[in-house]
Amino acid sequence: DIELTQSPSSLSASVGDRVTITCRASHNISDFLHWYQQKPGKAPKLLIYASSILQSGVPSRFSGSGSGTDFTLTISALRPEDFATYFCHQSYSTPLTFGPGTQVDVK
Amino acid sequence: QVTLKESGPVLVKPTETLTLTCTVSGVSLSSAGMAVSWIRQPPGKALEWLAHIFSNDEKTYSTSLKSRLTISKDTSKNQVVLTMSNVDPVDTATYYCARTTLFYRGDYMDVWGNGTTVTVSS
Repeated sequence: DIELTQSPSSLSASVGDRVTITCRASHNISDFLHWYQQKPGKAPKLLIYASSILQSGVPSRFSGSGSGTDFTLTISALRPEDFATYFCHQSYSTPLTFGPGTQVDVK
Repeated sequence: QVTLKESGPVLVKPTETLTLTCTVSGVSLSSAGMAVSWIRQPPGKALEWLAHIFSNDEKTYSTSLKSRLTISKDTSKNQVVLTMSNVDPVDTATYYCARTTLFYRGDYMDVWGNGTTVTVSS
């Protein structure tokens, strides 16, 4: 199975901050890596697929990069609605797996 | 507009079989290029993929839960059903279904249901 790790597990930030979250895969997954945002009590929402493609309707302050085993999600300028938990997910091989999540909260 | 809605029991007893239904609207389960996945999330924990089924009826399961899961679809009702046998309190979770779009650089789950919360307890 491909294991995904995320760092940090949590971070505190202020509105306007640049935030970077890292996801590392245990094996080469090319760019078959996707990012989701989840708010408490809500379903996950797709932000970025195939490492760097912004899902329709997602603000351009979100961006993704990486290939192989190392990936990043960047929020260029944090907005109040961005405080949430972020998960990475690989679909390179089954079983599909998710990272443990990174919680972004208010500093 | 594509929507998915999960339904099933709120409470299940240990050793029983859990049956969950995902009703899909706005797209046919027979459409090429898509699948439906089931994912769960125990309280305060991470997401765990369980299974998916493609329009051609191909199915894949979580390695650790494969012996307990069955996924199927009813195209006449546009529903996907997941059964989990011999449930245990550790299966307590919110269960989501999600439309999976097939993409050459990795299939991704782009439309999710709101989830249904299942508690396993005697």
